[in-house]
Amino acid sequence: AQTVTQSQPEMSVQEAETVTLSCTYDTSESDYYLFWYKQPPSRQMILVIRQEAYKQQNATENRFSVNFQKAAKSFSLKISDSQLGDAAMYFCAYRSARGAGNNRKLIWGLGTSLAVNP
Amino acid sequence: DAGITQSPRHKVTETGTPVTLRCHQTENHRYMYWYRQDPGHGLRLIHYSYGVKDTDKGEVSDGYSVSRSKTEDFLLTLESATSSQTSVYFCATSGTGNYEQYFGPGTRLTVT
Repeated sequence: AQTVTQSQPEMSVQEAETVTLSCTYDTSESDYYLFWYKQPPSRQMILVIRQEAYKQQNATENRFSVNFQKAAKSFSLKISDSQLGDAAMYFCAYRSARGAGNNRKLIWGLGTSLAVNP
Repeated sequence: DAGITQSPRHKVTETGTPVTLRCHQTENHRYMYWYRQDPGHGLRLIHYSYGVKDTDKGEVSDGYSVSRSKTEDFLLTLESATSSQTSVYFCATSGTGNYEQYFGPGTRLTVT
């Protein structure tokens, strides 16, 4: 069974600085998707970025980018120019690329709580 | 946003009473999911649906049932609420061509 591990329960960063959140996963599959979700104090789960395993290029969305190391099964999130609004819980998630039924579910890490200091 | 609403947003109920949570989506997504979120456990899948009247169990389905009579609505029922079901419940959806899931705002349920 696939697992997702986020080894940093809490992190902090100074405003305008860069921070990297770690995520590792375990799978025997070769084709899958990886995601980072953000959950601010409002509780809303927001998709930050996604990565397809077949793509070698790391995904980027504005100030958010990932470092996807497939062989190492590592999927870290880098937040550049951190802003106060980035303070949130961040979750890493995995999904099999195999199409049907139970394979579509997301496997979640336990999250990293990010504080942004002014 | 995928246009997902949940009702109620907050509920307090007593042990032993039935409770129904509603998820409504306007995106015509085929797949819908119910999760619960608890400290130290992250998000855990309760049930999911892959079409109208097609549902299946997730990893923590005991004590819960679901129904989906229309594409846009997915109901989660706690047949006889227990204190261990105090949690935040999230609904999510995804379309046939989507890899990611989109989430509703959550329902905080307290069972006393």
